[in-house]
Order: sequence, then structure tokens, then C-alpha cells
Amino acid sequence: TQLLEQSPQFLSIQEGENLTVYCNSSSVFSSLQWYRQEPGEGPVLLVTVVTGGEVKKLKRLTFQFGDARKDSSLHITAAQTGDTGLYLCAGAFQTSGSRLTFGEGTQLTVNP
Amino acid sequence: DAGVTQSPTHLIKTRGQQVTLRCSPKSGHDTVSWYQQALGQGPQFIFQYYEEEERQRGNFPDRFSGHQFPNYSSELNVNALLLGDSALYLCASSTEFYSPLHFGNGTRLTVT
Repeated sequence: TQLLEQSPQFLSIQEGENLTVYCNSSSVFSSLQWYRQEPGEGPVLLVTVVTGGEVKKLKRLTFQFGDARKDSSLHITAAQTGDTGLYLCAGAFQTSGSRLTFGEGTQLTVNP
Repeated sequence: DAGVTQSPTHLIKTRGQQVTLRCSPKSGHDTVSWYQQALGQGPQFIFQYYEEEERQRGNFPDRFSGHQFPNYSSELNVNALLLGDSALYLCASSTEFYSPLHFGNGTRLTVT
């Protein structure tokens, strides 16, 4: 059983469209991180959210942590071809420090 | 400032063989974690090393072992390779128990 469920698994959109990726769990996390991974490279950290209800913005990307700290979402406004990649959410438990539990990822393709 | 470096980048082994993967952490980082990422999945935590000792371990068999050296670099060893061990092996470094992870670009292991 996957501890962190991401949806959708695959997403193909046109440039300029908006999209939302979801990350859900039945577990409570002390923090949740979003990463972006491109082919042949390791994941790169986009954001860390730690407080329930927290919203963080990174240019056209908006990240939200659920009030109960069990779920999160990533919203991209006016997607660009450069946004193409694998988006991974990862949760950390209070006692596990920097050890992360990853979701299976959302493969985003933005077409010109 | 070099980030996390891993070697080799690609490796092909035969079932039953043994393999050693290497990782140099980002400058200033003292904690090294190893993750296995199968094709189309998110990374799975293998173990974490700090002060030359295994601090945490994920759900991987004893065939997976590691080591951390006094200069904080690390090795991942896998014995008796199985076809299912084919994956991208990611090394991540951090400092302090709750700090964000910095990932290397991984070693792609193929077992035939």
C-alpha cells in the first residue's frame, strides 16, 4: 500500500493551461516537500511546507498543505514547456528527520 | 561548490554479482541517504548514514549494505543481484536531522 498517493499519474496539457496535482495520505506528516525530476537527473527540491493550511508560491507554482497535514496540492498557472517533468511529493514524519516517504510521482508533459 | 556526486553513472551487472556505488555529499553536509527509484515510481528509502553509522534503514533486505567514510562520502553495496534490483540509485546529502535533501543524479543499475 502506497503511503502517499499522487494523482493524476500522467498529465499532458497545452502550453498556457492551468493544472493541479494532488498528494494524499492517511498519515500525518511533520512536513511535506515537492520535488521536480527531469530525465537523467536527481529530484530537485521546489518547496517545503510545514504548517497545516500553509500556502507557498513560487512564481507560477502554488503549493498548499492541508489543514490536517495529510495532503497537499501543487497548482501551476499558465504552464510552460519548461515545466515538463516528474513531480514528486514526499513526506517526513516527526521522528524520521530527513528520511522521506515519496509518492509515485506525476509525469507532466506541457506541449507547445 | 560541487553538489552531490555519484559514480558510476551507469552500470550493467549479471544476476548473482555484487555491485558498489559511490557518493560524495555536498560540501558541508555530513549525512548521506540512499534511495532506490524503479522505473515509473518514486524513490524508496534504503538507509541513512551519519557519523559513519547506519542511523535509519528502510524495508530492504540485508543484501543491501552501506558504509560512510570519515570524509562523509558513502558507498552502497548490493550482493547477489536480482533482476528486480535494476533501478536508479539516488544518493542524497543533508546536514542536521531535519534539513532538506540534496540529490545526486543517480547511478542507473541494470541487472541482466
